[in-house]
Amino acid sequence: EIVLTQSPGTLSLSPGERATLSCRASQSVSSSYLAWYQQKPGQAPRLLIYGASSRATGIPDRFSGSGSGTDFTLTISRLEPEDFAVYYCQQYGSSSFTFGPGTKVDIK
Amino acid sequence: QVQLQESGPGLVKPSETLSLTCAVSGYSISSGYYWGWIRQPPGKGLEWIGSIYHSGSTYYNPSLKSRVTISVDTSKNQFSLKLSSVTAADTAVYYCARHPGQPRAFDIWGQGTMVTVSS
Repeated sequence: EIVLTQSPGTLSLSPGERATLSCRASQSVSSSYLAWYQQKPGQAPRLLIYGASSRATGIPDRFSGSGSGTDFTLTISRLEPEDFAVYYCQQYGSSSFTFGPGTKVDIK
Repeated sequence: QVQLQESGPGLVKPSETLSLTCAVSGYSISSGYYWGWIRQPPGKGLEWIGSIYHSGSTYYNPSLKSRVTISVDTSKNQFSLKLSSVTAADTAVYYCARHPGQPRAFDIWGQGTMVTVSS
């Protein structure tokens, strides 16, 4: 099973700042199968990025994804008030999905 | 607009079987896509349970495989989850979601339903 590690656990930033979230895999992941989600309290996760770098429908361009192999990054260029949430990375491999433990982005 | 809605008992006794259904509207399950279940214990992260294709082929999380059955009913445009021999560790919000064959990302989610395992 591929294990995903996310860092930092919590990121405290102010609106307007840049957020850089990391997702590291225990073994190489196909870029086609790496995704990022945003989850707010009491809500279902929302797909932000698929295929490591493609934005899902309706996702603002301040969200971008990059990376390959075992290291992937989600960047939020300028934080808006609605972006403070928990972010999860997810991979698919060997007929199984796994999620990372999440990074909480909170208001400094 | 595609929508998914979970339904089922909110309370299940230990050792019994948890049963949930996900009703799909705005899209015919028979048209394609995979349909999956994901859960989230209170205050914790996400765990994929398993997925099913409209043809009925399934694949499950290896850690849950011995207790999980996912089925599809195309006539009712819904799919279901059964998790047997539940314990308190199975207490979670259960989500149903859709994912294409390529890429493998869950693009549409239900709102989730809380299931508590307790006597």
